[in-house]
Amino acid sequence: QQQVKQSPQSLIVQKGGISIINCAYENTAFDYFPWYQQFPGKGPALLIAIRPDVSEKKEGRFTISFNKSAKQFSLHIMDSQPGDSATYFCAASWGYQKVTFGTGTKLQVIP
Amino acid sequence: DAGVIQSPRHEVTEMGQEVTLRCKPISGHNSLFWYRQTMMRGLELLIYFNNNVPIDDSGMPEDRFSAKMPNASFSTLKIQPSEPRDSAVYFCASSVLSGTGDNEQFFGPGTRLTVL
Repeated sequence: QQQVKQSPQSLIVQKGGISIINCAYENTAFDYFPWYQQFPGKGPALLIAIRPDVSEKKEGRFTISFNKSAKQFSLHIMDSQPGDSATYFCAASWGYQKVTFGTGTKLQVIP
Repeated sequence: DAGVIQSPRHEVTEMGQEVTLRCKPISGHNSLFWYRQTMMRGLELLIYFNNNVPIDDSGMPEDRFSAKMPNASFSTLKIQPSEPRDSAVYFCASSVLSGTGDNEQFFGPGTRLTVL
C-alpha cells in the first residue's frame, strides 16, 4: 500500500514535444504528491508538487494532473527541451510519514 | 545555506574494508534520510531519523549497514565489511518534517561508492 508505481521506465521525446510520465498509488492517506528531477551526477531536487484538493497545477512548462478517484497523477512537460533530459521521480507522502518514491523515468529529449 | 553536504564524494575500496559515509544536513532541518541508488533497484530509502532518533531502518539491507546521528548536524552511514554489491551512489537528504505533509527533501550531491 505504500508503493507508488511509475511508468514508463524510459522516454524519448523530440524537442518541442510533450513528455508525459504517469504514477499510481494505493494509499488513500497520501496527501502530498511531489515530483523530483535528477540530472546525471546530482541528487534529486523538487520540481513541482500538488495536493489532492486540486486537479491540476502548472508551473511554467511543467504541469501535474491529478485524478483522486483513479488514484493517479501525471507530469506533463510541454515544449520539451534537451535541457529537460533527466530522471524524474514521482513521490507521495502524508503527515509526518516518509516520502515514498516511484521507480523513476529517464527522459531523453532529442533535438 | 550550503545545502546538504556529503563526504567523500567518491570512495573506492576493497571488499572487506570498512566504509564510512558522512552527511551534514541543512541547519534547522529535523529529519535526515539515507538513500541508495543503483540502476537495478532505483532509489531506495535505507533509514531515516527524526530529531536525531532513528525512526525506520527497514530499508537497511543487512547487519553490515549501520547509521548514526549523534547530533542535529551530523550523520554517518557505515558499511562493515563492504562487498562489491554495495557499489552504488549513496544520498543523504534532509527536510523539515511538518504535520502538513509538505516534506520537501533536499538531497546532497551523493557519494559514489565502488567496492572492488
